Amino acid sequence: GPKVLQIPSHQIIDMGQMVTLNCDPVSNHLYFYWYKQILGQQMEFLVNFYNGKVMEKSKLFKDQFSVERPDGSYFTLKIQPTALEDSAVYFCASSLDRADSDYTFGSGTRLLVI
Amino acid sequence: QQQVRQSPQSLTVWEGETAILNCSYENSAFDYFPWYQQFPGEGPALLISILSVSDKKEDGRFTIFFNKREKKLSLHIADSQPGDSATYFCAASNSGTYQRFGTGTKLQVVP
Repeated sequence: GPKVLQIPSHQIIDMGQMVTLNCDPVSNHLYFYWYKQILGQQMEFLVNFYNGKVMEKSKLFKDQFSVERPDGSYFTLKIQPTALEDSAVYFCASSLDRADSDYTFGSGTRLLVI
Repeated sequence: QQQVRQSPQSLTVWEGETAILNCSYENSAFDYFPWYQQFPGEGPALLISILSVSDKKEDGRFTIFFNKREKKLSLHIADSQPGDSATYFCAASNSGTYQRFGTGTKLQVVP
């Protein structure tokens, strides 16, 4: 079936540095999401994005976080500066038409901040 | 606060048995409930979903039972197979808002 690709699969970064996580969503999907998962536990919503704008964001989406999708390119999550507590697996997802429709998830980016 | 809860946290069943995974929610406005299956090292994959207008949804060996009054639902996996061993997440959403995920149930099916 259609896939969401996430690049890189793993990233190790020094605390305080900037990191960009990249997501290539399903081609005809219009809604994009980032979720954070720690140690295989609960999936925590960060942000969703539609038509070039942030639609909703959670308390976990700190000021150091930003998202964008320049035309035809990756949907990105940027963290600047990173903190130790940002270490987690970040999952990108996309859906076709509504934020409550079926999501397709990527395989995640495992981020370790040291 | 935790809007979607799941129990048990972990579950072990024998091959061929029916595994029952439970989910409850707080917000009565939730109207869409997908279940996702996640294998280690992978992202969640949609398994089966139900709308609040239905009380049951079947897809092969997987069945969702939904009780709107009690704000509870359950996923039944019939004839469990070792390949079903994974973590299962219940999620909920309403009116075009993002999906809230539960805490997950880790299922192990023993041959």
